[in-house]
Amino acid sequence: NAGVMQNPRHLVRRRGQEARLRCSPMKGHSHVYWYRQLPEEGLKFMVYLQKENIIDESGMPKERFSAEFPKEGPSILRIQQVVRGDSAAYFCASSPQDRENSPLHFGNGTRLTVT
Amino acid sequence: GQQVMQIPQYQHVQEGEDFTTYCNSSTTLSNIQWYKQRPGGHPVFLIQLVKSGEVKKQKRLTFQFGEAKKNSSLHITATQTTDVGTYFCAASPSGTYKYIFGTGTRLKVLA
Repeated sequence: NAGVMQNPRHLVRRRGQEARLRCSPMKGHSHVYWYRQLPEEGLKFMVYLQKENIIDESGMPKERFSAEFPKEGPSILRIQQVVRGDSAAYFCASSPQDRENSPLHFGNGTRLTVT
Repeated sequence: GQQVMQIPQYQHVQEGEDFTTYCNSSTTLSNIQWYKQRPGGHPVFLIQLVKSGEVKKQKRLTFQFGEAKKNSSLHITATQTTDVGTYFCAASPSGTYKYIFGTGTRLKVLA
């Protein structure tokens, strides 16, 4: 009964490099959410995806950020040309269905540090 | 857009004291969820409230959903050091499936 798997746990990138964060949802879950958390702050919604579809990306920055959830494989959050302000914990969560009352199951997160 | 505010932002209590955090929304909610995040950890689902005026209990934790479905509270009786962490409420705006998290209340319990 593997939970939501995120990798890597820690990622260090220099300014201008690309960061790719991976998330495998729980078995049987077809909905994935990405959240960003700055130190000692709350969780900011970024994007909600179903298999092969972006449902809501209203929290994604307009530039440099993209997300996908292909038919096969994990969901990917991609940050191009990272800047120091991108340093944060990025959490992925999954849910089994697109009803409003489905709890979110979170992964352990990826801590991104931009130097 | 919808905002979900929590108060207080921080709370330090002596072990054995009670603790309450409040969650307020600018709009009527269809349901509300509560999560706990331990320091350095990830959010863990605690409970969901759906009905107006609903009250649910989990051992020392009591959750309430307001009559107008615009606010909620989490009360912990006789805190223990294991209660340390940040408590978040989360709500899904009507017509969407995304969850907006509250600002969180960070609880510290002094032994």
